[in-house]
Amino acid sequence: EVQLVESGGGLVQPGGSLRLSCAASGFIFDDYAMHWVRQAPGKGLEWVSGISWNSDNMVYADSVKGRFTISRDNVKNSLLLQMNSLRPEDTAFYYCAKDMNSGATAPSFDSWGQGSLVSVSS
Amino acid sequence: DIQMTQSPSSLSASVGDRVTITCRASQNIRRYLNWYQQKPGKAPKFLIYAASSLQSGVPSRFSGSGSGTDFTLTISSLQPEDFATYYCQHYYNTPPYTFGRGTRLDIK
Repeated sequence: EVQLVESGGGLVQPGGSLRLSCAASGFIFDDYAMHWVRQAPGKGLEWVSGISWNSDNMVYADSVKGRFTISRDNVKNSLLLQMNSLRPEDTAFYYCAKDMNSGATAPSFDSWGQGSLVSVSS
Repeated sequence: DIQMTQSPSSLSASVGDRVTITCRASQNIRRYLNWYQQKPGKAPKFLIYAASSLQSGVPSRFSGSGSGTDFTLTISSLQPEDFATYYCQHYYNTPPYTFGRGTRLDIK
């Protein structure tokens, strides 16, 4: 059974940094691309970033480009999201999501974690 | 960027009803369209990919159709566990891979 467990969320001041982690199990991690998708409380879903199976391609939404960095560790079966220069509008639940395929483009999110809440406020 | 417009934004229906949700893309996305179901306080669940292919384990009362710019998700006979919010998402060409704003399906 696929399991994705996020950690690292919390309250941070505007301009601050936070690093999210996602521990993956139940599948061959380095066969698949991985993504982060976020959802502001009470709002819809927004794709944030994706990374290919071998880290040779990373893609970002314009809203986070230059501030967030996605990475993965295929030895530790983990996905990371380094978030810098955080803004109040980044407040959301951040979901780790497994792609059906290995490339970071054209994603279909077939498994999701439970989400980690990031709150950006002074 | 490709915009995804869902309609209706909310819908009330009864157990046993046939329900259709529409998703329209702002440009031709061929069949690069997924559907998800989300219940309150839970992560989304993957239902349909490539416009009409049912994800493994998803009940056959769910179906998808369409291509180009117009797509539909149909639930043939609503069950109590189907009351949720449904999202479409395109995965055509380059990012961003936008979602629709969601359709909330409530019990009448």
